[in-house]
Amino acid sequence: KNEVEQSPQNLTAQEGEFITINCSYSVGISALHWLQQHPGGGIVSLFMLSSGKKKHGRLIATINIQEKHSSLHITASHPRDSAVYICAVSTGGTSYGKLTFGQGTILTVHP
Amino acid sequence: EAGVTQSPTHLIKTRGQQVTLRCSPISGHTSVYWYQQALGLGLQFLLWYDEGEERNRGNFPPRFSGRQFPNYSSELNVNALELEDSALYLCASSPESGTQYFGPGTRLLVL
Repeated sequence: KNEVEQSPQNLTAQEGEFITINCSYSVGISALHWLQQHPGGGIVSLFMLSSGKKKHGRLIATINIQEKHSSLHITASHPRDSAVYICAVSTGGTSYGKLTFGQGTILTVHP
Repeated sequence: EAGVTQSPTHLIKTRGQQVTLRCSPISGHTSVYWYQQALGLGLQFLLWYDEGEERNRGNFPPRFSGRQFPNYSSELNVNALELEDSALYLCASSPESGTQYFGPGTRLLVL
């Protein structure tokens, strides 16, 4: 079993829909990261969080440390949100250091 | 502010050859990470350098090695290339806060 599991693996939505991607982990973490990878391969860090909730524009990330679960929400989805969304965790007592990744969620938003 | 840069962008090698990939971190970032993303597989951690020293190493054979220079740039060397080394190699840098900033990657094809 992978240390970081994401669901769903594939997600298709219509423009404007509210989207949720889930991430569960089985190890102790110091921080959880949400990343976005576009078809060209480039990766952008969306959030790093260790508790609570963070919001940036239409994106919201939450984490429940007790349940070892995080969610990434996209409100009013748009075709430009189509990408692979990857959950990753930092371990070892610091948010600094290597990342362990989930398998990614492929999101396609249709106009 | 310039982002993380990697060179070359693409590379084609044959089995048994050696390859060197290069990464320049964001100015002020002392940590550099290397990750491998093989086709159809998720991201896997390769190496972490900080302040010129190797801090952690992923589950890869010794023919994967690297170093970090005094200006914090880094090289990843892969000896005796095998077909399964074909992948996107991503470099990331981070400040002490932990958020990782990724470069555009180097696509390596081993024939």
